Amino acid sequence: AQKITQTQPGMFVQEKEAVTLDCTYDTSDPSYGLFWYKQPSSGEMIFLIYQGSYDQQNATEGRYSLNFQKARKSANLVISASQLGDSAMYFCAMRGLQGGSEKLVFGKGTKLTVNP
Amino acid sequence: GAVVSQHPSRVICKSGTSVKIECRSLDFQATTMFWYRQFPKQSLMLMATSNEGSKATYEQGVEKDKFLINHASLTLSTLTVTSAHPEDSSFYICSARAFELAGVYEQYFGPGTRLTVT
Repeated sequence: AQKITQTQPGMFVQEKEAVTLDCTYDTSDPSYGLFWYKQPSSGEMIFLIYQGSYDQQNATEGRYSLNFQKARKSANLVISASQLGDSAMYFCAMRGLQGGSEKLVFGKGTKLTVNP
Repeated sequence: GAVVSQHPSRVICKSGTSVKIECRSLDFQATTMFWYRQFPKQSLMLMATSNEGSKATYEQGVEKDKFLINHASLTLSTLTVTSAHPEDSSFYICSARAFELAGVYEQYFGPGTRLTVT
């Protein structure tokens, strides 16, 4: 079975600083995808970044980068130059085969607070 | 980018009544749609996967007779919470998967529907 673990219930960071949100995963599937989503208080899920299991390079999208360490089964999200608007819940998710169909499984999330 | 809409965004209903939530893919065709449930301060839990023109596949522990899912077209899926009870109060989020292009596809999320059962 697939599992996503986010061990940080809450994180605090000063504005303009960088922050790393941890995510580890477990799967026996050789092919999978890893995602990070941001969920502000409004509730919408905002896609941030994607990393495929066969991608050789770490994914980057603007201020977001994914530190993919396959051997360690970790996919940490790095947000550089934090902004007040980055305060939100962040979910790590993995897509892979489960029960014969592809599903997206989410971690418990990390609440990020950016302080001015 | 692709847009998924949900209607209504908020609904309050009385215990024992049924509520229908619509999920639409506005600018793409979605062969597969997913329904998630999120309790306050918790993660998204997959309830069911629906494929256009066929019966939905429910996750373990989700009552299919209580949460009726219909995926009647490539752009519309509905979730009906039948005989709602206060414990069904939650945030329901749908997600739509676009056609595969060169083996790559995206999954887009709707804005969610907050259901409160009194």
